[in-house]
Amino acid sequence: GQQVMQIPQYQHVQEGEDFTTYCNSSTTLSNIQWYKQRPGGHPVFLIQLVKSGEVKKQKRLTFQFGEAKKNSSLHITATQTTDVGTYFCAGPNSGNTPLVFGKGTRLSVIA
Amino acid sequence: DGGITQSPKYLFRKEGQNVTLSCEQNLNHDAMYWYRQDPGQGLRLIYYSQIVNDFQKGDIAEGYSVSREKKESFPLTVTSAQKNPTAFYLCASSMTSGRARETQYFGPGTRLLVL
Repeated sequence: GQQVMQIPQYQHVQEGEDFTTYCNSSTTLSNIQWYKQRPGGHPVFLIQLVKSGEVKKQKRLTFQFGEAKKNSSLHITATQTTDVGTYFCAGPNSGNTPLVFGKGTRLSVIA
Repeated sequence: DGGITQSPKYLFRKEGQNVTLSCEQNLNHDAMYWYRQDPGQGLRLIYYSQIVNDFQKGDIAEGYSVSREKKESFPLTVTSAQKNPTAFYLCASSMTSGRARETQYFGPGTRLLVL
C-alpha cells in the first residue's frame, strides 16, 4: 500500500541555522499535510499543499510540494528553540482509508 | 471550547489486566482514530471509525478493541493479549474519513505504563 518516507529521522542544529525535512511518497498524492508535535505533546496540523509545485510560507517555515506530487519538503529558516519537535508529513491513502503518516523528523535546536 | 479530550493522562496496567482509554470529541466529526506512538517513533494506526456503530482495523489492531456507540466517543480497550502495551496513545478525529483533504485533530494523549 501507500508509503510515505521521511528523511532525516533526526536533525540537530545550532540555533540560527536552517533546517529541512523531506517527504517522499511511493505514489502520486492528491495533497500532502504537515504536522508538528512538540516534546510531550500531540501532533498539530500545520498546513496542506494541494497543487503541483505549490509553495506556501508561514513566517520562517516554507513548504513545497513537488511537481510530480510525489515529494514535499519543509524548510525552516534561522531555527529557534521554539521550533523543537517532530515534524510529520501525511498523505491520503487509496480508497476510503485514513491518512498515511511518515515516521517524522525530530528536530533538536541547540541554543 | 471545541476539541478532543482524552483521559486519563497517565494509566498504569498490571499484568493480565484490561484497561480502557477514553476519547471524546465535541467537534461533530464523523471519523475518529486511535494511534500508538512509541518513543522516537511515528504514528501507527490501531483502529478507526468512519461512522457510529462501525469501525475498521488499522495496522496494529491485535490486542486492542474499540467501540463507537456514540458519535462523540471512541474508547480504546487495551486487552491482556497486548503483550507490550507501554506507549503513548493518541486519539484523533476528522470531519470525515477518506476524503483526500481531511485534516486530523489530535487529543492530548494517554501514556500507558505496565507495572
